[in-house]
Amino acid sequence: KAGVTQTPRYLIKTRGQQVTLSCSPISGHRSVSWYQQTPGQGLQFLFEYFSETQRNKGNFPGRFSGRQFSNSRSEMNVSTLELGDSALYLCASSLEGAGNSPLHFGNGTRLTVT
Amino acid sequence: QKEVEQNSGPLSVPEGAIASLNCTYSDRGSQSFFWYRQYSGKSPELIMSIYSNGDKEDGRFTAQLNKASQYVSLLIRDSQPSDSATYLCAVFLNYGQNFVFGPGTRLSVLP
Repeated sequence: KAGVTQTPRYLIKTRGQQVTLSCSPISGHRSVSWYQQTPGQGLQFLFEYFSETQRNKGNFPGRFSGRQFSNSRSEMNVSTLELGDSALYLCASSLEGAGNSPLHFGNGTRLTVT
Repeated sequence: QKEVEQNSGPLSVPEGAIASLNCTYSDRGSQSFFWYRQYSGKSPELIMSIYSNGDKEDGRFTAQLNKASQYVSLLIRDSQPSDSATYLCAVFLNYGQNFVFGPGTRLSVLP
């Protein structure tokens, strides 16, 4: 069974630009969550999508947005990039997004903002 | 108080010893707990999940849960240098209905 696939693996962007990250969950998984990981803040929850609906949202500004398609694939968008957005962005899928189905992570997208 | 807390380490143990990693959480209603291992430059991978009080063993790994004390631990027996990584404790919050991760404990197993 294929794992969670994230593209691209690396991105270099300039301040003020926008970026779109993509995530394909494990087949059959309906929940997709996004996390930002930085050395100082650890893994921070961005949002979770289930059946094309945002079910949960972390404490990030509105510049961070996402969506989920009918095939459960998800995209995350960051607009007006800031230097502080440089991080590893991790997508994780689970069967239902509930506590009884753990998260399975993709390899991540490393975003560098210059 | 942070939702999930761990000692950041580094925790250094000699090869063959038992490594003990600890985690506390604030949401008394949480029922689901997970341990992830993250190698440097890689993404977290699931090691174990635990839902009931007591011990759960899987190979060299044992997870321990004490809901009354809001405490989860991970024991690694016969530690190997390949176990050197950051270990993340994750809790599925009952009130928020989402997974929250601790800051991680960096483990170094010395040959």
